Amino acid sequence: KQEVTQIPAALSVPEGENLVLNCSFTDSAIYNLQWFRQDPGKGLTSLLLIQSSQREQTSGRLNASLDKSSGRSTLYIAASQPGDSATYLCAVRRSSSDMRFGAGTRLTVKP
Amino acid sequence: NAGVMQNPRHLVRRRGQEARLRCSPMKGHSHVYWYRQLPEEGLKFMVYLQKENIIDESGMPKERFSAEFPKEGPSILRIQQVVRGDSAAYFCASSPRQVSNTDTQYFGPGTRLTVL
Repeated sequence: KQEVTQIPAALSVPEGENLVLNCSFTDSAIYNLQWFRQDPGKGLTSLLLIQSSQREQTSGRLNASLDKSSGRSTLYIAASQPGDSATYLCAVRRSSSDMRFGAGTRLTVKP
Repeated sequence: NAGVMQNPRHLVRRRGQEARLRCSPMKGHSHVYWYRQLPEEGLKFMVYLQKENIIDESGMPKERFSAEFPKEGPSILRIQQVVRGDSAAYFCASSPRQVSNTDTQYFGPGTRLTVL
């Protein structure tokens, strides 16, 4: 059974700091791994999608890595800004309908 | 192109009443997925539907819950005789085809159900 764990559950940093969010999963047989952003009262926005054959993806100040053998992914956010404050969710996909989410990391970036 | 739309955004029901949650997928999308998010927990898959067909309902409780995606109109998630434990945020997502390893789903803003 696929379990997805995100650490830490909450993180507060000053503006400008670089930070790393962690995601671990128990079953390495995955299609892909995605990082989403969830703002309060809103839906999920896809940030980065890493296919199972890939090692990392980058978009702007965001970089996500994937190590299938160890069941880990990290989301690196460079030069954090107050607008980055949100909950970040990691999700692994095993099939069209089997997508498992972590509980999220709630990030606060203080001005 | 409007995104995935869900209504209502907030729904309050008393125990024993019925809740109907609607999801209009993005234009051109014929695949719909429903997820439930309990407080302080991750999203959990409930059901995957294609037009007029339920493809996978392995995540949906066997009793009181049902889902449909008719040929015309939105997808409906129906909860009969709601209980307090049904209070959660219900998210709908859509995709234009069966999701592969390069595809993403597009999520709606969610419906927050509160059962009094």
